[in-house]
Amino acid sequence: QVTLRESGPALVKPTQTLTLTCTFSGFALSTSGMCVSWIRQPPGKALEWLARIDWDDDKHYSTSLKTRLTISKDTSINQVVLTMSNMDPVDTATYYCARLYYGGDPGPFDIWGQGTVVTVSS
Amino acid sequence: EIVLTQSPGTLSLSPGERATLSCRASQSLSSTYLAWYQQKPGQAPRLLIYGASSRATGIPDRFSGSGSGTDFTLTISRLEPEDFAVYYCQQYGNSFTFGPGTKVDIK
Repeated sequence: QVTLRESGPALVKPTQTLTLTCTFSGFALSTSGMCVSWIRQPPGKALEWLARIDWDDDKHYSTSLKTRLTISKDTSINQVVLTMSNMDPVDTATYYCARLYYGGDPGPFDIWGQGTVVTVSS
Repeated sequence: EIVLTQSPGTLSLSPGERATLSCRASQSLSSTYLAWYQQKPGQAPRLLIYGASSRATGIPDRFSGSGSGTDFTLTISRLEPEDFAVYYCQQYGNSFTFGPGTKVDIK
């Protein structure tokens, strides 16, 4: 059974750096084609893709946020970490991690974590 | 960036009725890399349809997807009480973008 779980602070102050961890099980991120992405959703709004890390450590970022994002992985402990710098109240959202498989053709986000709520406020 | 537009914004229907949701892309999607997700309040999105028309594992056959190029449709043949939710389309062939969502609520 594939599961993902997000963890991190519920509250951060403006200008601080947010660090979120996605801990997963049921698959190996070292397997060719496996990827993990981060997606966020402000309250009452739509989903926004943030970043993706691939089995071969290739990294991809949202064009609008790439200067603030860093994604990394530790396959030995099945974790993916996302940092977002210079947090602002508009970054208040539920942050999700999700798995996708890129086996020759791109794949959708087939399994999602339950999400973690992050509020940015002083 | 590929922009997705969904219509209508809200669809008010009764259980047992047919729901037809539309998703339009700002440019043609290569090889129909188009997915649909269902999201209920307080829950993560759930993959329903990928490749424009393939049902994900465990998704009932009352859900179907169709379309190509720039115009795509999600159809729910007969609404069950658990189907009232928000539905998002997503393209995943050129980075990733989501549509704004269609809320299906009870009439």
